[in-house]
Amino acid sequence: DAGVTQSPTHLIKTRGQQVTLRCSPKSGHDTVSWYQQALGQGPQFIFQYYEEEERQRGNFPDRFSGHQFPNYSSELNVNALLLGDSALYLCASSSPTESGGKDTEAFFGQGTRLTVV
Amino acid sequence: GEDVEQSLFLSVREGDSSVINCTYTDSSSTYLYWYKQEPGAGLQLLTYIFSNMDMKQDQRLTVLLNKKDKHLSLRIADTQTGDSAIYFCAESWNNYGQNFVFGPGTRLSVLP
Repeated sequence: DAGVTQSPTHLIKTRGQQVTLRCSPKSGHDTVSWYQQALGQGPQFIFQYYEEEERQRGNFPDRFSGHQFPNYSSELNVNALLLGDSALYLCASSSPTESGGKDTEAFFGQGTRLTVV
Repeated sequence: GEDVEQSLFLSVREGDSSVINCTYTDSSSTYLYWYKQEPGAGLQLLTYIFSNMDMKQDQRLTVLLNKKDKHLSLRIADTQTGDSAIYFCAESWNNYGQNFVFGPGTRLSVLP
């Protein structure tokens, strides 16, 4: 099992451009969450996808959008890039149950480091 | 709103115990987690504690939860150089799971 895989690992974009990041969840997981981790900070929750729908969203502008495919993989799209969007973008997959805790452990990918210049 | 705070740096000698502290504000948090992040890597779950527990021990790791003070700590016994990393405290409050609020992380340096 390859675990959670993200692509690309590194990306450089120019301010104003658009970017798409990709995530393949761990086998058997149907839920994908995206986080933004700025340098020196903890990850910030962007949104979560389940059954191809955005289920929950953090405090991020509409420039951040996503998609989940029938095979549970997911994309994060960011439009009109700003310098402040430079960060490590982490994807986490899980298969939630009502019980929470260990049964709903989230597995994180290695992240995509986005640099906006 | 939710907020999680941690001290930013901790330095210990190899073989000593490390104690990393965290405070959180959301009393409705259901689970509290400790994650480890090594340079250039994603997040690795170390341990978690359910909010109705006071303590959890898992090999070298001991988690203490003071729900009244909203204080969480992670003790690493016999700290090794391989434990050098950033440790994140996180809270989660919904049954959909994994919508974490993370602290800023504590950078643990283990000196030989």
